[in-house]
Amino acid sequence: ETGVTQTPRHLVMGMTNKKSLKCEQHLGHNAMYWYKQSAKKPLELMFVYNFKEQTENNSVPSRFSPECPNSSHLFLHLHTLQPEDSALYLCASSQEGGGGRVGELFFGEGSRLTVL
Amino acid sequence: GDSVTQMEGPVTLSEEAFLTINCTYTATGYPSLFWYVQYPGEGLQLLLKATKADDKGSNKGFEATYRKETTSFHLEKGSVQVSDSAVYFCALSRAQKLVFGQGTRLTINP
Repeated sequence: ETGVTQTPRHLVMGMTNKKSLKCEQHLGHNAMYWYKQSAKKPLELMFVYNFKEQTENNSVPSRFSPECPNSSHLFLHLHTLQPEDSALYLCASSQEGGGGRVGELFFGEGSRLTVL
Repeated sequence: GDSVTQMEGPVTLSEEAFLTINCTYTATGYPSLFWYVQYPGEGLQLLLKATKADDKGSNKGFEATYRKETTSFHLEKGSVQVSDSAVYFCALSRAQKLVFGQGTRLTINP
């Protein structure tokens, strides 16, 4: 079982659809992240959750709505997306504070999103 | 703000060649520095890190030294293999936020 699991791996949706991306971490970490990876652009941090509380929203449009019901699960709810939102969405987790290794993130394999 | 700049890719080398991927950063203070690697179809994995000036991170034959005077963290490997083909990302850490470079695609030909 991999440390960070993302589903679905591939998603195609229309601009009027509503869908969700799911992430689950099996590492006992207390922080989770969403990153966006677009072609020829640096990875963009979208959201950070510490102990289920959102601590970072990096000016992400409201058509992306995160949810973190517990420290092991993270969702990204998608609605009325635009074609330019097509990208690879990466989930990551880390152990922060109390001896945690700063900056050491564990990534899932990503969800490849295509918006038509 | 903080930023990371990597050499433009793609980089193509023959097996057993020497590899250098340049990385420079702009930041206040002394952030931790990282190299992450992304193999085809996979997420990013931590390759190595350095937390203070003059530290050398190493893993799987790769090395990088934290150079405060040149604000650099260049990745090197003495003899690359086909299995090293991947995208390499330099990053710095600031208060739980990782700032990534744009990535350098490396292809190793047999």
